[in-house]
Amino acid sequence: GENVEQHPSTLSVQEGDSAVIKCTYSDSASNYFPWYKQELGKRPQLIIDIRSNVGEKKDQRIAVTLNKTAKHFSLHITETQPEDSAVYFCAASKVTGGYQKVTFGTGTKLQVIP
Amino acid sequence: ETGVTQSPTHLIKTRGQQVTLRCSSQSGHNTVSWYQQALGQGPQFIFQYYREEENGRGNFPPRFSGLQFPNYSSELNVNALELDDSALYLCASSTGALNTGELFFGEGSRLTVL
Repeated sequence: GENVEQHPSTLSVQEGDSAVIKCTYSDSASNYFPWYKQELGKRPQLIIDIRSNVGEKKDQRIAVTLNKTAKHFSLHITETQPEDSAVYFCAASKVTGGYQKVTFGTGTKLQVIP
Repeated sequence: ETGVTQSPTHLIKTRGQQVTLRCSSQSGHNTVSWYQQALGQGPQFIFQYYREEENGRGNFPPRFSGLQFPNYSSELNVNALELDDSALYLCASSTGALNTGELFFGEGSRLTVL
């Protein structure tokens, strides 16, 4: 089955600096790669996603890159702000056997220091 | 538009007991999936329901079962509770079983098994 590895597990950055979180996946059939942000005690919420026919996607301060050949994708947050502090999960997804199978990484706890 | 709601938010059970968790999907969403999130880990896929039938299952034993109702709400039942079942249980709704796309999560039900 799919295996998603995520690094680092914790990340501290100064406010205004950039943060990068990296994930690798094992199943070449995965074709949808979302990123979720989970604030303490809150629900995971989608912040950005990318499909396998695209190499890069950007939304204001957040960008995601995908390298299908190497089976890795990364989240980039620029000009970090204290409200970016949260746990971030990457995921790899595909439709198989009539359902959407989503495999999550283990999460990265981002701390933005004011 | 009503978001995904789950109940109860917190509950404590003892080993061997049974528990039922409930989820109301977001308006217009016909697919519900359940995830187990252990402390410090990413969500793990339990199963997905579409049109009142389970159409996908992760690596969880049969004592994890569920239902989906005509209004697309859902239940997760866990029998013979074990200590390792202590976790946050997340329900997520989406617009179709045969598409990869955003999952809309509820706030979760935190289960503690003593």
